[in-house]
Order: sequence, then structure tokens, then C-alpha cells
Amino acid sequence: EADIYQTPRYLVIGTGKKITLECSQTMGHDKMYWYQQDPGMELHLIHYSYGVNSTEKGDLSSESTVSRIRTEHFPLTLESARPSHTSQYLCASRAAAGEQYFGPGTRLTVT
Amino acid sequence: QKEVEQDPGPLSVPEGAIVSLNCTYSNSAFQYFMWYRQYSRKGPELLMYTYSSGNKEDGRFTAQVDKSSKYISLFIRDSQPSDSATYLCAMNLWGGNTPLVFGKGTRLSVIA
Repeated sequence: EADIYQTPRYLVIGTGKKITLECSQTMGHDKMYWYQQDPGMELHLIHYSYGVNSTEKGDLSSESTVSRIRTEHFPLTLESARPSHTSQYLCASRAAAGEQYFGPGTRLTVT
Repeated sequence: QKEVEQDPGPLSVPEGAIVSLNCTYSNSAFQYFMWYRQYSRKGPELLMYTYSSGNKEDGRFTAQVDKSSKYISLFIRDSQPSDSATYLCAMNLWGGNTPLVFGKGTRLSVIA
């Protein structure tokens, strides 16, 4: 059973606002990931982390940033939201044995 | 050529049918294979994972890996309307630190 949480679940915000999407897991996993997914489309990796103080950019160019100060917490920040950022954002964490678990996602709409 | 190829469908089957979902891959170093189910507007849910060739069964689901052909399959027996979802395959190097490589997903509809 995966214990990975994302807040907020839904967010509607105006252009230019700064937003932080929260992700936390209670499984003690070192590896964590952020994906962006438009409806009916494939997953795109935007950021990942191997552990505390480790962050890497993914395959999809993103204007977001991440931090990893604690093992259980991996927030994603958009400094200035734009309509092109409208999407679903999925957080995941990965066990040492390899299996990866996803959170429920945050649906972001930028007006 | 993408590392992982997956037919996007959509695939439509009648209730009770056996469904076969497939992925091919190009990297012979992949050792770890996963199948996810994703309902519309939800996060992917891990269905099965395996790291060896052969079959792994869990209820109505069977995951099959053929490393010699670089081909993996997910079979769903006695399919139900509740199985209607997008199914994604994912794979990685054994013990690797690199992110999982995902297929694009196959959209399945099971018609009652």
C-alpha cells in the first residue's frame, strides 16, 4: 500500500502567481519524482531526487523548481504561473527494490 | 526509436474477454518491469512488477516477460467494465538509479 500524499488536489490560480505543490511520503523512500501529464497523454518526467539535498532535471524542460530538505518531502514550486502550466502534476516515490508508487495528483489550472 | 513502444489503442473488448496488452523495448539491460493502471484524472496505480522472464500471476492479472524477444505482456482474464482504464508499462535497469522508462499507455474499454 502506497502512502504518498499530494496537496492541493485541485488548484485554480491566476497568471503570475507563485505556487507550491506539496508531496510527502511516509515510506522512507530515497528516490522521488515529479511528472507532468496532460489529459489522455503520456507521462513526462520534470524533476527527480535521489535523496536529501539531491535534485535533478528530467526529460521535459520545466520552469518549475524542487527542493529536498527532508526525505519525506519533495515540494515543487512555480515562481510565476502561466496558462501553459495548466496540467496534472504527479508525484512518485520509489522503493529500494525498484517498484514506484504514485500520489493522487494535483490538477492545476492557470487562468 | 523510443526505448519502450506501447500501442496507444484504444482497445475495446466485451465484458468477460481475455485482454492482452503489450510493450516492446530496445534496451536489453532492462531487468525490472512494471504494469500500472490509471483511471481518468487519477494517479497511476502499480498493478504488478517482476524482474524475471516468465509469468507472474495475481488474481485475474498475469504479467509475462520474454527477455529474449524484449517483449512484455499483461493479460487480464474475465475482463470487467471496472478494468476500463489506461495501462502503462514501465521498466528499468536492475538496481539502477535512473528513472523508470514508461510506455505511452494503452487505453482499454470493457463494454458490458
